[in-house]
Amino acid sequence: NAGVTQTPKFQVLKTGQSMTLQCAQDMNHNSMYWYRQDPGMGLRLIYYSASEGTTDKGEVPNGYNVSRLNKREFSLRLESAAPSQTSVYFCASSSNQPQHFGDGTRLSIL
Amino acid sequence: DQQVKQNSPSLSVQEGRISILNCDYTNSMFDYFLWYKKYPAEGPTFLISISSIKDKNEDGRFTVFLNKSAKHLSLHIVPSQPGDSAVYFCAAPGWTGANSKLTFGKGITLSVRP
Repeated sequence: NAGVTQTPKFQVLKTGQSMTLQCAQDMNHNSMYWYRQDPGMGLRLIYYSASEGTTDKGEVPNGYNVSRLNKREFSLRLESAAPSQTSVYFCASSSNQPQHFGDGTRLSIL
Repeated sequence: DQQVKQNSPSLSVQEGRISILNCDYTNSMFDYFLWYKKYPAEGPTFLISISSIKDKNEDGRFTVFLNKSAKHLSLHIVPSQPGDSAVYFCAAPGWTGANSKLTFGKGITLSVRP
């Protein structure tokens, strides 16, 4: 049972480079979410998709875009990476509570 | 404006004793709460939840208590084990039901000493 799979697990970028983080779930969940976690902070919602074909901004959407490719996949794109986007990114999915999380992508931007 | 607050960043307890992790919230519309546990280099995993129609929910060694008038909940772990050492997040959905986004507290790092 894979659950929620995130790729890559680690990535180092230079300022200004672009990057797409991939997320896929095999639980047939309707909703998917992208969070970031920074030291001393909880998880903050970047974007979410309540159902296939819809996306909405969360608490910290600036600098990011998302695509709900199909019911299984939800990607997060950084068009022009900035050092402030250095973080651990978590994808989650649910059809009701609780949400199920992937193991994260650790992203460093130099 | 932090709607879910975990004011103590860390807690250290001896193996076999009780661990009490606290969480406060400000939004009186919250009516469902979850606790997640997170190990390093892993994603958060769901631990236990409670609905506002209850004041207690128990699952094995884990019990969550809810005090609605104080807007306070707590997670009790009895007895604590070294494998419980992790970061614990309190969270609340913005609305009841499916597909609701979560608001998280900052987390509490629990260390259980052998």
